Amino acid sequence: NAGVTQTPKFRILKIGQSMTLQCTQDMNHNYMYWYRQDPGMGLKLIYYSVGAGITDKGEVPNGYNVSRSTTEDFPLRLELAAPSQTSVYFCASSPIRTGTGGEAFFGQGTRLTVV
Amino acid sequence: GENVEQHPSTLSVQEGDSAVIKCTYSDSASNYFPWYKQELGKGPQLIIDIRSNVGEKKDQRIAVTLNKTAKHFSLHITETQPEDSAVYFCAASRYSSASKIIFGSGTRLSIRP
Repeated sequence: NAGVTQTPKFRILKIGQSMTLQCTQDMNHNYMYWYRQDPGMGLKLIYYSVGAGITDKGEVPNGYNVSRSTTEDFPLRLELAAPSQTSVYFCASSPIRTGTGGEAFFGQGTRLTVV
Repeated sequence: GENVEQHPSTLSVQEGDSAVIKCTYSDSASNYFPWYKQELGKGPQLIIDIRSNVGEKKDQRIAVTLNKTAKHFSLHITETQPEDSAVYFCAASRYSSASKIIFGSGTRLSIRP
């Protein structure tokens, strides 16, 4: 029972490089989310998706892009990495809106360092 | 904008004692309040939640209380055990919103043997 799987677990990027954080879930959840967690802070929503083909911005979308071509996959793209994007990134999914009591299932996180 | 304040940021209690974590929220329209536990190297996991139409909810050793008037809610862990050591996050959201789930900054709970 895999749940939400994120890859890679760790990555070091140089300023200006690009990368894609992968996220896949096998629970057939409609809702998927990307959060970042800075040290000593709570989770901040970057982007979310309510279903295949539909995405929307969260609290901190600048510098990121997403796509949702299938129900299972929700990759997060960093085009021009900046030191401010050093953080731990979490992907999550839920069967219904988290605001309506839908439990969010989180992946194990990707620790990204931009140098 | 909306925010959730969480206190304390760190908490150390003797095994067997109780632990209390408190949160306040600013958005009076919030009506769903989940609590997540994050163990080292893992993603957060929902442990309990409460809706605005109830004042208290209990699940074995954990309980959550809500005071809507004061916009406070708290997590109570009784008879703490070593496996309770983790970071705990409170959150608040509006019932109809997919995006507006606001997390607190987290409390690192350590259980002393």
